[in-house]
Amino acid sequence: DSGVTQTPKHLITATGQRVTLRCSPRSGDLSVYWYQQSLDQGLQFLIQYYNGEERAKGNILERFSAQQFPDLHSELNLSSLELGDSALYFCASSVGLAPYGYTFGSGTRLTVV
Amino acid sequence: GENVEQHPSTLSVQEGDSAVIKCTYSDSASNYFPWYKQELGKGPQLIIDIRSNVGEKKDQRIAVTLNKTAKHFSLHITETQPEDSAVYFCAASADSNYQLIWGAGTKLIIKP
Repeated sequence: DSGVTQTPKHLITATGQRVTLRCSPRSGDLSVYWYQQSLDQGLQFLIQYYNGEERAKGNILERFSAQQFPDLHSELNLSSLELGDSALYFCASSVGLAPYGYTFGSGTRLTVV
Repeated sequence: GENVEQHPSTLSVQEGDSAVIKCTYSDSASNYFPWYKQELGKGPQLIIDIRSNVGEKKDQRIAVTLNKTAKHFSLHITETQPEDSAVYFCAASADSNYQLIWGAGTKLIIKP
């Protein structure tokens, strides 16, 4: 157990729908990162939050948004879903701004049908 | 911006032999280089990392070497075992923005 908790583990939804993925970082970690990994592909950085504030953005679509709450858990919202959004979505956390000892959760597998 | 290239994309070695995966980075300011192992259906797991003030780091059967002049770093796995089969990712970051830039991954296959 990495200490980073992601829910749900699996999600199947229809095109056009909206879903919310949840991440609880490791205890004491202030940074949360979201990644997308399509089948047999690499890790695509989406967005980082640090202590409630957006810190960095990667190739995140406008249909996607995220936030980090006062208790430091984070949610990734995906809307107007397309078949191509089917992927594994990972959350990672680190203590501070630097990615030292970056720890990943076990991911949410999203299938859009 | 920073770019990290990782080779090979697939590596097949006989059980018991050594495996080497190499990454090259472009930003000379990069100073932190982690390696992650991703098993099928799981999240990536940090297996070893190195900072730029160190040339080599070992942890049992795995080691990482860094050549700052050539801007490349490598993961060495000795006495490979079936459980080493996974996808391995390298990454690099600099203190200027703290963002991890990832390599494309190497699928390591250990043949029995």
